[in-house]
Amino acid sequence: GESVGLHLPTLSVQEGDNSIINCAYSNSASDYFIWYKQESGKGPQFIIDIRSNMDKRQGQRVTVLLNKTVKHLSLQIAATQPGDSAVYFCAENPGGGFKTIFGAGTRLFVKA
Amino acid sequence: DVKVTQSSRYLVKRTGEKVFLECVQDMDHENMFWYRQDPGLGLRLIYFSYDVKMKEKGDIPEGYSVSREKKERFSLILESASTNQTSMYLCASTLGVPTDTQYFGPGTRLTVL
Repeated sequence: GESVGLHLPTLSVQEGDNSIINCAYSNSASDYFIWYKQESGKGPQFIIDIRSNMDKRQGQRVTVLLNKTVKHLSLQIAATQPGDSAVYFCAENPGGGFKTIFGAGTRLFVKA
Repeated sequence: DVKVTQSSRYLVKRTGEKVFLECVQDMDHENMFWYRQDPGLGLRLIYFSYDVKMKEKGDIPEGYSVSREKKERFSLILESASTNQTSMYLCASTLGVPTDTQYFGPGTRLTVL
């Protein structure tokens, strides 16, 4: 069935290192993918998105990579900071409809 | 900045009570959504609305209903709360097309005893 899953539930990185959060999806028809960040006590916040006609997109300190061949999505955070500590969700929107499918989330811990 | 507010951050109710969760957005967004968030399950869509008085079921609508009488307000109703509805409830809105950025409220943590 359709699912968006994450390889690791938690990730711990040293401040200043790069972080990589991975995500697998199963719906090959999906054409739009989003990463969200959720800090403690807050709702999810949009970070970056990518469409299926791209394989890489860069934002400020973040890069999303899309590998359609293996149905894999990743979020790279450069020079991770304590403020990056949060739960990160990947999400998939098949066909541009109203239903976005969210992954379970990865908790990122940043060690000072 | 878009602001999505939810009426309560924390709510404790008893089994069988009728529960209202309110969500308001201030950016004239067309679409509004209610999700529940449970550990290990991510966000699951309960209901959404693409216009005033219009509503559509999401993936887990059982035990819930919604109301959208005004564009800025989307209410989630638990007709008879049950313990398995203890969860974090998140409201979101998008401007126009569904793939516009979803803006989320801070969430309401509901506990049903």
